[in-house]
Amino acid sequence: AQTVTQSQPEMSVQEAETVTLSCTYDTSESDYYLFWYKQPPSRQMILVIRQEAYKQQNATENRFSVNFQKAAKSFSLKISDSQLGDAAMYFCAYEEYGNKLVFGAGTILRVKS
Amino acid sequence: DTGVSQNPRHKITKRGQNVTFRCDPISEHNRLYWYRQTLGQGPEFLTYFQNEAQLEKSRLLSDRFSAERPKGSFSTLEIQRTEQGDSAMYLCASSLARGNEQFFGPGTRLTVL
Repeated sequence: AQTVTQSQPEMSVQEAETVTLSCTYDTSESDYYLFWYKQPPSRQMILVIRQEAYKQQNATENRFSVNFQKAAKSFSLKISDSQLGDAAMYFCAYEEYGNKLVFGAGTILRVKS
Repeated sequence: DTGVSQNPRHKITKRGQNVTFRCDPISEHNRLYWYRQTLGQGPEFLTYFQNEAQLEKSRLLSDRFSAERPKGSFSTLEIQRTEQGDSAMYLCASSLARGNEQFFGPGTRLTVL
C-alpha cells in the first residue's frame, strides 16, 4: 500500500519569513497526483496546491510552491512571506489510482508575529 | 453553491447506540468520499462512491459501518452498535474526477460515551 510520510510534526516560522514542509511518499505507480491540504483549527480542510506526477514543472500558487522530486519521491511545500493566517495543520496527500487520498500524519505550522 | 455540507456537526451518543450522518456534496460532483480523522492524525479513507455505486471500502469499515448514496446525490454513513473507538471526526468530500481537488465538508464529530 502507498504511504505518505511527513517527518516534521511541528514547525515554526517568523511572520514574513519562508518555511519548507517536507513530505515523502512510496509508490510503484508512474501516474498519480499529489496535494497539500491545509486544516486551520476547528475549520475545514482546504486545498493549498496540487501537482500532477507526469508534469515536471513544479506547481506554484501565489506564495505557495512545491519542490517535486519524482525519482526521490519527495514533495515539499514552500511557503514564502508567511502570514499569521497560514498557521494550521498541513497535510500532504497522494491520490491512488482508485481515487482515494492517502494522507500523511500532518505538520503543525505555527507563525510567530 | 455553498460547498459540501455535513449534518449533524456534533453527535454524542452512548456505546451501543446507532448513529447516522449525512453528507450533501457539491451538486455537480459525481464522486463522494468518506474519511475518518482522529485527533492529531491525517484523515483515513473509509469508502468512495461514483454516482450511486459504492466502488471501494476500506478494511477500516467493519460490518457495523454502512454507507449509501441513493440516486447519486447525498450520502449517509451509519454506524451500528457504536463503540468508544468510533469516536472521531467523520469527513465527507466530493470531486468531479480523478486527480481533481476533493472539496471537504466541515465534518461530523462523533463522541461515544
